[in-house]
Amino acid sequence: DARVTQTPRDKVTEMGQEVTMRCQPILGHNTVFWYRQTMMQGLELLAYFRNRAPLDDSGMPKDRFSAEMPDATLATLKIQPSEPRDSAVYFCASGLVTGDYQETQYFGPGTRLLVL
Amino acid sequence: GENVEQHPSTLSVQEGDSAVIKCTYSDSASNYFPWYKQELGKRPQLIIDIRSNVGEKKDQRIAVTLNKTAKHFSLHITETQPEDSAVYFCAASNLEYSGGGADGLTFGKGTHLIIQP
Repeated sequence: DARVTQTPRDKVTEMGQEVTMRCQPILGHNTVFWYRQTMMQGLELLAYFRNRAPLDDSGMPKDRFSAEMPDATLATLKIQPSEPRDSAVYFCASGLVTGDYQETQYFGPGTRLLVL
Repeated sequence: GENVEQHPSTLSVQEGDSAVIKCTYSDSASNYFPWYKQELGKRPQLIIDIRSNVGEKKDQRIAVTLNKTAKHFSLHITETQPEDSAVYFCAASNLEYSGGGADGLTFGKGTHLIIQP
């Protein structure tokens, strides 16, 4: 049963520190999404990639957030410097484009981030 | 951009009764409507989805209906069981990919479904 994996599962850090979250999409999937979940805002799309190319990062604060796909098996989301308001659960999801359609997205277990 | 409204925010039903959660969307270009179930501390998991060329889809006790004209879709759970207790999210997206047209999901705020024994 293939699954999206994320590391770390939990991260506690101090304000101003750099945070890097990693995601391994399901093997063969060519689209990767980053979402953020908070009580107030719910689930929000931050950025997504297709075939490792960034397609949309309009949901992401550009001054401190960056997302990359160094290779097809790894996506990263970086926050530098981190702030308390970044505290949330960050989910990665992957999917597959076949023909003209994006197939179902499968979510990873999430990284629970707490910035003190 | 797309905006998805979901109601109610909390729904309490007796075990064995039916539960209905409703969502509306704003972007007429949206053509894919999944529903996710999220248990406390867990990842969202897809339970059913529907594409805009279909009006209804059913999977055992779960069904989804879509009204494209009114831009709303609903989740129906029949014969509810304690394990159905969770937060349910609806979402909308434009899946058509012609060199880059597909979107990420826009989610509703979620419905906390409570099944009373």
